[in-house]
Amino acid sequence: AQSVTQLDSQVPVFEEAPVELRCNYSSSVSVYLFWYVQYPNQGLQLLLKYLSGSTLVESINGFEAEFNKSQTSFHLRKPSVHISDTAEYFCAVSGTSYGKLTFGQGTILTVHP
Amino acid sequence: EPEVTQTPSHQVTQMGQEVILRCVPISNHLYFYWYRQILGQKVEFLVSFYNNEISEKSEIFDDQFSVERPDGSNFTLKIRSTKLEDSAMYFCASSGTSGSEALYEQYFGPGTRLTVT
Repeated sequence: AQSVTQLDSQVPVFEEAPVELRCNYSSSVSVYLFWYVQYPNQGLQLLLKYLSGSTLVESINGFEAEFNKSQTSFHLRKPSVHISDTAEYFCAVSGTSYGKLTFGQGTILTVHP
Repeated sequence: EPEVTQTPSHQVTQMGQEVILRCVPISNHLYFYWYRQILGQKVEFLVSFYNNEISEKSEIFDDQFSVERPDGSNFTLKIRSTKLEDSAMYFCASSGTSGSEALYEQYFGPGTRLTVT
């Protein structure tokens, strides 16, 4: 069985500040890890993924996440946030390529001017 | 850019009624999924579908639920006799062609908000 814990339900930050959204997982098998973002009134969009290889993965809009097997974590970071990054962020894990995603409870990131 | 679409965006129904939620996955995708999110709770997996049959289902997906791909483009979720606790946002997702990294990437629709009164 797999589970995901997002340690912060809400994270308020000021524009241009750095941010870290925390995610820990548990799994008895190899995992594939994902971050999804949900903007208001929209569906879940894949932000970035870890499948294998380099433990540091990046998105096109400046987010990065690092897979840490020993700490079973996959924290999401951005060195300087924008107002437009305000959204809910979901960490998810899967045990197979086509398998179900198990989600964390989500973290609402609010960027203030 | 191709996207997953869902209709309706909001459905209100009375307890005991049947509802059908509709999804149009991305056209060349092979795997299809339904998830739901009860207000204030996690997004939960319901069912996955491949090659015209269910490949995996959760314990939530009991005999009241069924899925179908009736015409090669639509993917539907039917709830036969709705209960109050079925009120949730229902998300459809699909993932890509075999043998590629795209298989790992599930694309989600905007969701259907189901309200059972």
